[in-house]
Amino acid sequence: AQSVTQPDIHITVSEGASLELRCNYSYGATPYLFWYVQSPGQGLQLLLKYFSGDTLVQGIKGFEAEFKRSQSSFNLRKPSVHWSDAAEYFCAVGGFSGGYNKLIFGAGTRLAVHP
Amino acid sequence: GAGVSQSPSNKVTEKGKDVELRCDPISGHTALYWYRQRLGQGLEFLIYFQGNSAPDKSGLPSDRFSAERTGESVSTLTIQRTQQEDSAVYLCASSLSTGYNSPLHFGNGTRLTVT
Repeated sequence: AQSVTQPDIHITVSEGASLELRCNYSYGATPYLFWYVQSPGQGLQLLLKYFSGDTLVQGIKGFEAEFKRSQSSFNLRKPSVHWSDAAEYFCAVGGFSGGYNKLIFGAGTRLAVHP
Repeated sequence: GAGVSQSPSNKVTEKGKDVELRCDPISGHTALYWYRQRLGQGLEFLIYFQGNSAPDKSGLPSDRFSAERTGESVSTLTIQRTQQEDSAVYLCASSLSTGYNSPLHFGNGTRLTVT
């Protein structure tokens, strides 16, 4: 069965520090992978997605993610975190029957940013 | 333009009562999805509408859950005989199509509390 695992429930970083959020997936075919962010009081917003091609994808707000098939991972990174990045981040896999947006989500990683 | 609108934003109901949750998608979006987010968990897919096709109901957890959509506009999610385990945030999302270049646009959700 398809699944998405985000091993870190909470992460705290200092403003200006680098960030990596982990995501592992289980899916038999080529996955379509997404990262969404949920900021306090706001709806979920798509950060970036991977379908094919270059395994390093760039997203909004300075985020990037790298697809590693051998590790079944799609980790999210940002070189320098801003206080406004404090939010909950969800990794998701899609591409099943029902289109690209019928997604299986991980449980999320809540990011806190210290000044 | 207007985003995805959900109402009510909060709903408290007694166990055993029926509830209706409403979603107004972005105008022109042919695809509409319902997801559920339980406390501390990722989003669970519930149901998906695409144009005039039969909806994909594969994520509905029980026959107490149903949803309708009028054409390519408003959708309602109905939960009959609510149970405490139905307490969650119910999120609606729409997309222009089901193609890979059509990201999901999420509403802010309806927080349902069953007492």
